[in-house]
Amino acid sequence: GENVEQHPSTLSVQEGDSAVIKCTYSDSASNYFPWYKQELGKRPQLIIDIRSNVGEKKDQRIAVTLNKTAKHFSLHITETQPEDSAVYFCAASISTNAGKSTFGDGTTLTVKP
Amino acid sequence: DVKVTQSSRYLVKRTGEKVFLECVQDMDHENMFWYRQDPGLGLRLIYFSYDVKMKEKGDIPEGYSVSREKKERFSLILESASTNQTSMYLCASSSPASGSNEQFFGPGTRLTVL
Repeated sequence: GENVEQHPSTLSVQEGDSAVIKCTYSDSASNYFPWYKQELGKRPQLIIDIRSNVGEKKDQRIAVTLNKTAKHFSLHITETQPEDSAVYFCAASISTNAGKSTFGDGTTLTVKP
Repeated sequence: DVKVTQSSRYLVKRTGEKVFLECVQDMDHENMFWYRQDPGLGLRLIYFSYDVKMKEKGDIPEGYSVSREKKERFSLILESASTNQTSMYLCASSSPASGSNEQFFGPGTRLTVL
């Protein structure tokens, strides 16, 4: 089955700096890669996703890149703010596989004011 | 707005008790999932269902069973709760009709087994 590894497990940055979280996956058939943000005490929510036919996607301060050959994808957050502090999960799935996703172990991002 | 609700936010049970966790979604989603979330271990899939009465094992099904008698409701059952099942349980739903595999999560049930 699919295996997703996520690094780092914790990340601390100063407000205004950039943050990068990286994930690798094992199943070359995976074609959908979402990123979820979970604030303390709240449910995970999708913040951005990318499909395998696209190399990069941006949404304001958030971007995701995908390298299908190397089987890795990354989340980039620019101009970080204290409200970006949360746990971030990457995931990989095959869009025809009943929506089943395999999640990474999560990255706890702390943005210091 | 998709709404996924879970029957309890906090639950305390004793070892050996039978425990039912209920999840309801109101967006007619075909797929529903049960995860447990433990610190440093991410979201681990227990069971999922892609249709009424259909279920498939996830990565950690041992000690759990599920039931999906209606499309909107997916129940997780701990036949005989054990202390190592103390965890946060998250339910989620998704639909291929949405064009993506985005999962919508419930608020979670924090289960403590004494």
